[in-house]
Amino acid sequence: GAGVSQSPSNKVTEKGKDVELRCDPISGHTALYWYRQSLGQGLEFLIYFQGNSAPDKSGLPSDRFSAERTGGSVSTLTIQRTQQEDSAVYLCASSSYMMSSYEQYFGPGTRLTVT
Amino acid sequence: ILNVEQSPQSLHVQEGDSTNFTCSFPSSNFYALHWYRWETAKSPEALFVMTLNGDEKKKGRISATLNTKEGYSYLYIKGSQPEDSATYLCAFSSGGGADGLTFGKGTHLIIQP
Repeated sequence: GAGVSQSPSNKVTEKGKDVELRCDPISGHTALYWYRQSLGQGLEFLIYFQGNSAPDKSGLPSDRFSAERTGGSVSTLTIQRTQQEDSAVYLCASSSYMMSSYEQYFGPGTRLTVT
Repeated sequence: ILNVEQSPQSLHVQEGDSTNFTCSFPSSNFYALHWYRWETAKSPEALFVMTLNGDEKKKGRISATLNTKEGYSYLYIKGSQPEDSATYLCAFSSGGGADGLTFGKGTHLIIQP
């Protein structure tokens, strides 16, 4: 079946502009996660959704970052007034609560470059 | 603050040789330990999820062990092949297991023909 998809695959934007990243999880997966990997760093957790609600937003680095999920499916991560330090690969993952191990399946990521 | 450490950071191995690398994680409030393989320009691919102390899992030439009491896991690759070249990530989950994963920085493995 179809895996997790993300769009765009690459995004170059000017400092100060807003960007929106999209994640389409595996059909039927109730949990959705956003991570990012900045240069030289490990994967960093940003936010997770259970259905449409976000029980844990603790990883969002600043109030310029927000995320929403509607209909328990597609999620968008929005970064306002982008800064150069926002340049990173943004990964989305989804998981099913039917799997007690909570194995997360990842998309291919969006590479964001802020110039 | 949860800390997941992986070593070595990078590793060059001759084709045909076996290798292993380490992940250490907090031993308290443990739920699961995940191993992923991440090739450039692809999605991270789940290799193993381990939840029980003493767990050993195997997939082809790759295997992993788990020690939750002392907080470490080993990943082994037997008879390395060029297609094994990738970054291997381990990640720790705590609490009920549904939360975001805490990742190490990965071990970058290069197999030399």
